[in-house]
Amino acid sequence: DIQLTQSPSFLSASVGDRVTITCRASQGISNYLAWYQQKPGKAPKLLIYAASTLQSGVPSRFSGSGSGTEFTLTITSLQPDDFATYYCQQVNSYRLTFGGGTKVEIK
Amino acid sequence: EVQLVESGGGLVQPGRSLRLSCTASGFTFDDYAMHWVRQAPGKGLEWVSGISWNSGGIAYADSVKGRFTISRDNAKNSLYLQMHSLRPEDMALYYCAKDIGGSPWYMDVWGKGTTVTVSS
Repeated sequence: DIQLTQSPSFLSASVGDRVTITCRASQGISNYLAWYQQKPGKAPKLLIYAASTLQSGVPSRFSGSGSGTEFTLTITSLQPDDFATYYCQQVNSYRLTFGGGTKVEIK
Repeated sequence: EVQLVESGGGLVQPGRSLRLSCTASGFTFDDYAMHWVRQAPGKGLEWVSGISWNSGGIAYADSVKGRFTISRDNAKNSLYLQMHSLRPEDMALYYCAKDIGGSPWYMDVWGKGTTVTVSS
């Protein structure tokens, strides 16, 4: 199976900061990558799919980029509602895997 | 409103079986693939299994292959996960998730989950 490695696993940031999370795949996955946000006690929420397509209703401060093996999720101007854990997810031959997660906390 | 409601979780002894259900509403169920994703306490997300709209395509994570079976009943707007030979490491919150549609598989709607506890 393809492994996804997220970095950092934890980051502390302030409201208004620009935040970038990286997801690296163990082999090329084209653009078959999604990003999810999960808050404590809640189900995950799809933010971005196909590496850079913003899911309907997701604020435009979220953006995704990358292809092949390296991908990034960027949050411009972090808002209080954005403090959460973020996961990347890949699809290869209809087998899915998630990254280990990045917890974004308030500095 | 698009909604997924899981049920069937509970306390089960190692080696025993359990069947999870997910009832969908608010969308045309048989238009979409569906998935099970689990999350162990304090841990990350783990995809368990997915099934295409017509059950023609089914896939499993290696950790559950041969022990779990995914199925769906489009007439009942329901998704199932039959779990056999349960292990302590299967203990988790199990989410049902709707596929976004098309290819490849991404999940755009999630239920609240049902908890499976495996303990003697």
